[in-house]
Amino acid sequence: DSGVTQTPKHLITATGQRVTLRCSPRSGDLSVYWYQQSLDQGLQFLIQYYNGEERAKGNILERFSAQQFPDLHSELNLSSLELGDSALYFCASSVDGGSLNTEAFFGQGTRLTVV
Amino acid sequence: AQSVTQLDSQVPVFEEAPVELRCNYSSSVSVYLFWYVQYPNQGLQLLLKYLSGSTLVESINGFEAEFNKSQTSFHLRKPSVHISDTAEYFCAVRGDTGRRALTFGSGTRLQVQP
Repeated sequence: DSGVTQTPKHLITATGQRVTLRCSPRSGDLSVYWYQQSLDQGLQFLIQYYNGEERAKGNILERFSAQQFPDLHSELNLSSLELGDSALYFCASSVDGGSLNTEAFFGQGTRLTVV
Repeated sequence: AQSVTQLDSQVPVFEEAPVELRCNYSSSVSVYLFWYVQYPNQGLQLLLKYLSGSTLVESINGFEAEFNKSQTSFHLRKPSVHISDTAEYFCAVRGDTGRRALTFGSGTRLQVQP
């Protein structure tokens, strides 16, 4: 158990809908990273938050957004869903903003299926 | 920017045989390298990492990886695999400047057969 909790574990929804994925980082970790894992794109970095502020952006679509709350949990919002958004979404946390030797701990992921 | 190439998408191997999972990276800055393992229906777990010092790093479960700067490689090896090593293995890189998020390779599925 990495200490990173993601909910829900599975989500099935229809095209055009909006969903929210939730991540609780390990106790004491200030950074949260979101990744998307799909068969054709592999593991893609989406976005990082550090202590409530956006720190870095990766390949995140405009239809997607995220935030980190004062209690440090994070939510990833996916809207106007398309079939191609079906993927496994991982959250990872680390103790700081990403020092070079900082390990990132991953949650078990949320499997999103868009039908 | 950095990129990672894992040359083999699948590696079938018999139990107790040696295995090597290949990883090459590309970067314009110094990098730090990681191997993560993903067991079925689970998240990623750090297997080992190279930050500095000895170019050979080892994990607690018998895997080792060697950083080769001239060949820009960080291949993962194990002299004798077990059925329980069946998993997906991801090589990842983090540059020493700019973005701190990990850049992952496409993964190699290690299938250990009895």
